Amino acid sequence: NAGVTQTPKFQVLKTGQSMTLQCAQDMNHNSMYWYRQDPGMGLRLIYYSASEGTTDKGEVPNGYNVSRLNKREFSLRLESAAPSQTSVYFCASSGGPGLQGRGYEQYFGPGTRLTVT
Amino acid sequence: QKEVEQDPGPLSVPEGAIVSLNCTYSNSAFQYFMWYRQYSRKGPELLMYTYSSGNKEDGRFTAQVDKSSKYISLFIRDSQPSDSATYLCAMRARGAGGTSYGKLTFGQGTILTVHP
Repeated sequence: NAGVTQTPKFQVLKTGQSMTLQCAQDMNHNSMYWYRQDPGMGLRLIYYSASEGTTDKGEVPNGYNVSRLNKREFSLRLESAAPSQTSVYFCASSGGPGLQGRGYEQYFGPGTRLTVT
Repeated sequence: QKEVEQDPGPLSVPEGAIVSLNCTYSNSAFQYFMWYRQYSRKGPELLMYTYSSGNKEDGRFTAQVDKSSKYISLFIRDSQPSDSATYLCAMRARGAGGTSYGKLTFGQGTILTVHP
């Protein structure tokens, strides 16, 4: 049981390049999230998917797109990377509606450190 | 103004000290309050959870919520070097169903160092 996995762990891009960050969970969770973490800013929600087939914008969606490929996988795409997107990106998942108890609890992956030069 | 404010620190204390970490918030709809702990170069993990006002204790950790003041706290007793981490408060509104289910708002995180 790996929990939430993210690939790659590290990435360096040049301005204007594109890339996709991959996330997968094996806990049969309904909801998945993408955050970015910058010094002094905490975790800011980029996009989330409450359930398979739905996605919604979070606090800072500009410059990103997402795909909920299936219940397990949720990818984040940067179409044209900018230096302002240099950050640590975390994927998380939670049980979602219908679960008793702490279905809201979010489980985080280990993060992807992205540098855009 | 951010919905959730947390003093980023850094906070440095000697081993055995009592640590107090705090967050204030402005959204009166928040009903669920959490504390996450994040070790260096790792993802956050849930440490404590409370619903509405009151206290909750778990070993050396106590979480307090004062909804009238829109203020939450995490106390760590007999702090240990292994408690050195970033602590993030997080909150969500009750009844945030549908597409908003599970959506959390995080504070900026407080960096804590406990030195031997």
